[in-house]
Amino acid sequence: DAKTTQPNSMESNEEEPVHLPCNHSTISGTDYIHWYRQLPSQGPEYVIHGLTSNVNNRMASLAIAEDRKSSTLILHRATLRDAAVYYCILRDMGGYKLSFGAGTTVTVRA
Amino acid sequence: GAGVSQTPSNKVTEKGKYVELRCDPISGHTALYWYRQSLGQGPEFLIYFQGTGAADDSGLPNDRFFAVRPEGSVSTLKIQRTERGDSAVYLCASSLLRDPRNTGELFFGEGSRLTVL
Repeated sequence: DAKTTQPNSMESNEEEPVHLPCNHSTISGTDYIHWYRQLPSQGPEYVIHGLTSNVNNRMASLAIAEDRKSSTLILHRATLRDAAVYYCILRDMGGYKLSFGAGTTVTVRA
Repeated sequence: GAGVSQTPSNKVTEKGKYVELRCDPISGHTALYWYRQSLGQGPEFLIYFQGTGAADDSGLPNDRFFAVRPEGSVSTLKIQRTERGDSAVYLCASSLLRDPRNTGELFFGEGSRLTVL
């Protein structure tokens, strides 16, 4: 699996946006970019995914660089419930499993 | 509930004992995964089932670990002769084989925390 690189941790204030970067310079043309997050004492949960175009859903937005070697997960207004570990994962189009790295631990200050 | 259910939520055992961890996936999900998560690390893939068969067991660390899914629904992860290094949270996930939304989303349970003394 192609590797991703994320910062270990990020802090944010409540109600402010959070931009989580992910580098994936060895991404292949058939790799989707997936984001999951893991709240304390829970299993990971799906956040968003994309291939080439920017994506929005009710949880977040995903901005993908034109060369696809990096992406940014955007939480538009952080709440205390968004404090979690966020994982950026590459998954082949025909693939079935997710390979998790260490992720980015997001702390939200009230 | 409608989510992935894992039992027990916590298991404390002694070194050398046998342990079984159970996963009840979302109804209709044919794909089932087991992951292991040590403190401070991301989940590590163990095994993947399509239906009743293990399609990929490349993540099982050694032959003390075994998993079954005899009827294509509930799965059991079995660990023989447990060691202290087996202490971790064991996560189960399920998914549709053909996802109409094309997200490939895995739905995770809350995990079974195993402590080997």
